[in-house]
Amino acid sequence: KQEVTQIPAALSVPEGENLVLNCSFTDSAIYNLQWFRQDPGKGLTSLLLIQSSQREQTSGRLNASLDKSSGRSTLYIAASQPGDSATYLCAVRSNSGYALNFGKGTSLLVTP
Amino acid sequence: ETGVTQTPRHLVMGMTNKKSLKCEQHLGHNAMYWYKQSAKKPLELMFVYSLEERVENNSVPSRFSPECPNSSHLFLHLHTLQPEDSALYLCASSPTASLGGYTFGSGTRLTVV
Repeated sequence: KQEVTQIPAALSVPEGENLVLNCSFTDSAIYNLQWFRQDPGKGLTSLLLIQSSQREQTSGRLNASLDKSSGRSTLYIAASQPGDSATYLCAVRSNSGYALNFGKGTSLLVTP
Repeated sequence: ETGVTQTPRHLVMGMTNKKSLKCEQHLGHNAMYWYKQSAKKPLELMFVYSLEERVENNSVPSRFSPECPNSSHLFLHLHTLQPEDSALYLCASSPTASLGGYTFGSGTRLTVV
């Protein structure tokens, strides 16, 4: 069974800092990996989708990398802003089954 | 409308009630999903539908009953729920059940009293 772990569980940074969120998974046989953002009490917003053949994806201030062989992904947020405060979820789609396996998330607080 | 729409946004129901959650996607996707999000736990997959056929049922109690009348609509029928079923229920869709990224709805916050 695919296990997804996110470190750290919570993070507080001052505005303007660059930061890295980590995700690891136990089974490297994956279709893709997706990073989501979730605001309190809300649904999930997709940030970046990385297919298994790709090494990274970028969108604005966000960059996600994937190292399938080591079972790791990182989400890099440049020049953080208070509006970036949310929970960030990493999810892995394995080759077998239909489930998107989620980590517990990293709760990010960016202070002004 | 675009994306994935869920109704209602909030629902409070007694343990003897019967209610339904609705999900509609306007993305032309062929696969739809129900996920449950409880406090302090990762999202858990409940059901998967591909082209209106249920392809996965993740050991979900029978008090949860899904229905997919067409590829754009998904329902979750609820009856005789327990307080521990209180959670955020999220609907999602993807281009196919095998590939593609997920798009999630805003969820229904369910409270069972």
